[in-house]
Amino acid sequence: GNSVTQMEGPVTLSEEAFLTINCTYTATGYPSLFWYVQYPGEGLQLLLKATKADDKGSNKGFEATYRKETTSFHLEKGSVQVSDSAVYFCALSPSSARQLTFGSGTQLTVLP
Amino acid sequence: GAGVSQSPSNKVTEKGKDVELRCDPISGHTALYWYRQSLGQGLEFLIYFQGNSAPDKSGLPSDRFSAERTGGSVSTLTIQRTQQEDSAVYLCASSVLGLAAYNEQFFGPGTRLTVL
Repeated sequence: GNSVTQMEGPVTLSEEAFLTINCTYTATGYPSLFWYVQYPGEGLQLLLKATKADDKGSNKGFEATYRKETTSFHLEKGSVQVSDSAVYFCALSPSSARQLTFGSGTQLTVLP
Repeated sequence: GAGVSQSPSNKVTEKGKDVELRCDPISGHTALYWYRQSLGQGLEFLIYFQGNSAPDKSGLPSDRFSAERTGGSVSTLTIQRTQQEDSAVYLCASSVLGLAAYNEQFFGPGTRLTVL
């Protein structure tokens, strides 16, 4: 079946530090890949996506590249801000279905 | 415009009681999804409605769970004879249904269910 494994948290960084949250997946076919973010007290929001191999999704300074050879979609940001503190979820949507399969989530706290 | 809304925002119930959770999708969105977010299981897919097609119920954990979508809009998730392990945040999402490989799902704020 389909599954997503992401780096366990919590992750605590100082402002302006470099961020990487690892995500690997198992799926048949060619899934679409996503990062969702859940800010404190808010609902899930789509952060970025990539729908085919070698695509790079980017938004708000965050980037992730769809690597089919390593079945990975690691999230990166060069310089985090306090406002980036949130829970980040890696997810996939298989080509045969529309629903999302999520990773377990990674809590990020950025300290000033 | 209005986003996905869910009600109630919090629900506390006693073990064995039935509960109904409501989702109002974004107007014009033909696809609707229910997910569950719990400490032990993370975020799990429950059920998916796509236009007038039969729903995909493959994620429902037991026959105590059911959902309907009336008039292609509002959806109700019903849990019968609730158990403590049903305690979770129930999330609803909606999307347009198009030809793209993926149509963004917009999530509601969730209903936090606590079964005592």
